[in-house]
Amino acid sequence: GAVVSQHPSRVICKSGTSVKIECRSLDFQATTMFWYRQFPKQSLMLMATSNEGSKATYEQGVEKDKFLINHASLTLSTLTVTSAHPEDSSFYICSASIGGLAGGRYEQYFGPGTRLTVT
Amino acid sequence: DAKTTQPNSMESNEEEPVHLPCNHSTISGTDYIHWYRQLPSQGPEYVIHGLTSNVNNRMASLAIAEDRKSSTLILHRATLRDAAVYYCILRDVPSYGKLTFGQGTILTVHP
Repeated sequence: GAVVSQHPSRVICKSGTSVKIECRSLDFQATTMFWYRQFPKQSLMLMATSNEGSKATYEQGVEKDKFLINHASLTLSTLTVTSAHPEDSSFYICSASIGGLAGGRYEQYFGPGTRLTVT
Repeated sequence: DAKTTQPNSMESNEEEPVHLPCNHSTISGTDYIHWYRQLPSQGPEYVIHGLTSNVNNRMASLAIAEDRKSSTLILHRATLRDAAVYYCILRDVPSYGKLTFGQGTILTVHP
């Protein structure tokens, strides 16, 4: 299957600082990437859909000014958590999909996740 | 999005087959049935997907009911590495394919 990488795998930062997480599709071009957040013992929650060359679409309740998403190329999307606070501590997972508007036909490939701890 | 219902947990013994059920009674004609699994502290992993016909791949088989209102993921011989949370998700074609995760089924495999 296709490979999606995330960097860093783990980050600890102080409250009030910003953290950038990178998501790369290594062996395919991803027209669409997704960002999820997962709290302990809970399921994944979709935060936003990122389309190359256009603005991200955020799910209801997700602050777009706090979680900045940039999908600058067909292989790279970044999520920046601005002014992070302890409640932002979570497991952040990206995924990449081929297929564009016909996305339902295709499988989605996930990164290994980034564990963010805000102290 | 059409919703799926899965048992909270299931148990199996190593090297035995496992049948993980999923109900999706409100499935639409263009929804694909996707299965993913997540091991602890890892991102989800694609397992299999299908539309109407049964599907097989190296990881598992997917059996889809004739009315498409339910499906079953079959692991032919469970191993300890198959212990994970399994998610059954409906994914529409005319969309950019976002996945809405439910709670999934926690599969425990006993040696």
